[in-house]
Amino acid sequence: ETGVTQSPTHLIKTRGQQVTLRCSSQSGHNTVSWYQQALGQGPQFIFQYYREEENGRGNFPPRFSGLQFPNYSSELNVNALELDDSALYLCASSTYGQGTSRGELFFGEGSRLTVL
Amino acid sequence: AQSVTQLDSQVPVFEEAPVELRCNYSSSVSVYLFWYVQYPNQGLQLLLKYLSGSTLVKGINGFEAEFNKSQTSFHLRKPSVHISDTAEYFCAVTLKAAGNKLTFGGGTRVLVKP
Repeated sequence: ETGVTQSPTHLIKTRGQQVTLRCSSQSGHNTVSWYQQALGQGPQFIFQYYREEENGRGNFPPRFSGLQFPNYSSELNVNALELDDSALYLCASSTYGQGTSRGELFFGEGSRLTVL
Repeated sequence: AQSVTQLDSQVPVFEEAPVELRCNYSSSVSVYLFWYVQYPNQGLQLLLKYLSGSTLVKGINGFEAEFNKSQTSFHLRKPSVHISDTAEYFCAVTLKAAGNKLTFGGGTRVLVKP
């Protein structure tokens, strides 16, 4: 069973640039969520994708966008980067919240973004 | 909207001693509750969860948590910690109608000393 993999693991950008982060879901999972974890804080929900459509969004501006592909992999895109976007971005896959699997997210190791 | 408060940002503890990590939540509707652990330079891993039924929940690695609805708490305990339990622990909540969208607390860093 292949776990959740994210790329790149680290990257440095400058203010105003755009970034794309990638995530491969765990086998058998149909839902992907993205979280932002600033240094010393808990993860904050950005959005979730199910059946290639956004299925819930946290308090993040539209310059944060995403995609889910037919193979359930996903991308997170951030435009017009700001210094406060510096964080660890975590991807999590799951089966759509049903039964005993509810809330059980399988996380990747994250992509650490530094914005200078 | 729901929120989660972890009352301790850091908890130092000696090896083989017990540890308790406190978590309180606020929500006007019913919720599901979770504890996740994050080892250094890794993603989060589910320790345990409360969906319904018995309020005492047992998880992996000897951890357990008790759901207290009247006090809106979900404290995590382990009777005897190991060096390998050094990690950051996150309490999280989701509304019953919100699928898998979790709201996390700020985390508690546990440092186990020999």
